[in-house]
Amino acid sequence: AQSVTQLDSQVPVFEEAPVELRCNYSSSVSVYLFWYVQYPNQGLQLLLKYLSGSTLVKGINGFEAEFNKSQTSFHLRKPSVHISDTAEYFCAVSRINTDKLIFGTGTRLQVFP
Amino acid sequence: NAGVTQTPKFRVLKTGQSMTLLCAQDMNHEYMYWYRQDPGMGLRLIHYSVGEGTTAKGEVPDGYNVSRLKKQNFLLGLESAAPSQTSVYFCASSTGQRGSGELFFGEGSRLTVL
Repeated sequence: AQSVTQLDSQVPVFEEAPVELRCNYSSSVSVYLFWYVQYPNQGLQLLLKYLSGSTLVKGINGFEAEFNKSQTSFHLRKPSVHISDTAEYFCAVSRINTDKLIFGTGTRLQVFP
Repeated sequence: NAGVTQTPKFRVLKTGQSMTLLCAQDMNHEYMYWYRQDPGMGLRLIHYSVGEGTTAKGEVPDGYNVSRLKKQNFLLGLESAAPSQTSVYFCASSTGQRGSGELFFGEGSRLTVL
């Protein structure tokens, strides 16, 4: 079975500062990895995904994530955040060739002016 | 562009009552899912469907039933609601192309069971 751990439930940052949201996964088989974002009172939408190939993945809104197989991590980064990035971010994992995603518990990113 | 539409968006039930949440998608997606979201627990998969007429259990299926009689619709039923089922429910769909990983979510249905 697969599982996802998001180490921080909340991350407060000031606008224009860099941010890293941490995600570690556990699996005995090869996996796909995802980051989703949820803005207040909305459903989730895909930020980025790692399926194979380059371990550095770029997504929407200036976010990127790096797959590190040895550390079983898939941390999300942005070099300079905006107020509009305030949202909840979910890391997710699935076995390869499936769409059955297992989500982490989420990290609430709060950006202050 | 409707995408994934959930009805109703809000509902209050008394313990023991029944109800059905409806999910409709207009993207001709094969796969559909029902998740529940609870504070500090993220999203947990209740049931899912890989095609019309099929359903399968997810992580937390107890107390729920589902049906997928038409490709575009996925219904989630609560036969006898319990306070533990107070949650926000999200429906999602995906193409079913292996490994695409992109789920398209509805805006959620907030259910309160008193």
